[in-house]
Amino acid sequence: ETGVTQTPRHLVMGMTNKKSLKCEQHLGHNAMYWYKQSAKKPLELMFVYNFKEQTENNSVPSRFSPECPNSSHLFLHLHTLQPEDSALYLCASSQEWVEGRTQYFGPGTRLLVL
Amino acid sequence: AQSVTQPDIHITVSEGASLELRCNYSYGATPYLFWYVQSPGQGLQLLLKYFSGDTLVQGIKGFEAEFKRSQSSFNLRKPSVHWSDAAEYFCAVGATGDDKIIFGKGTRLHILP
Repeated sequence: ETGVTQTPRHLVMGMTNKKSLKCEQHLGHNAMYWYKQSAKKPLELMFVYNFKEQTENNSVPSRFSPECPNSSHLFLHLHTLQPEDSALYLCASSQEWVEGRTQYFGPGTRLLVL
Repeated sequence: AQSVTQPDIHITVSEGASLELRCNYSYGATPYLFWYVQSPGQGLQLLLKYFSGDTLVQGIKGFEAEFKRSQSSFNLRKPSVHWSDAAEYFCAVGATGDDKIIFGKGTRLHILP
């Protein structure tokens, strides 16, 4: 595997379900990001992790719970979501002090909440 | 505060025609500037980036961009577009010491046959 991978690529869940999104980066980076991309809305930064520590939480509802067990893996745990949470969830990674924090993105997980 | 403006939400060009996508940024120091491309349902792919040095930057897929400090702009260009260039294009700005970059709202490019 190369670059940034995300699983699953597509997810349909009910409002009472619990699911998790997984992101893995194979670039040796030390920062990872979760973004939400909804139709007709700008890209929204949700969380930032540097060296496994959360450094940014952009007022994201608690029904989204991130986890970063090491610098290569990032999870987004989902529970009791709302239909308006349906979106493309993108993961990215970057390396501190290298290339101006150029971010490399995964293919995304398309989430549909029913 | 940093900001990025992409004034055109949609742009339509004919296949084979030249392309210029506009990007203006607001930042007090020398920024790091990026262009990304996103095909439908996919992640963002880095096209090119500018940190310092030569203000004309070459990227992948035949794209280039020029940093103009006096105009606070970083416009993306391609001399001849192909149907496969139809996608959404995002300009972004970052800065030393920041662990995040700011994205513009995107420009959707349509190609006429």
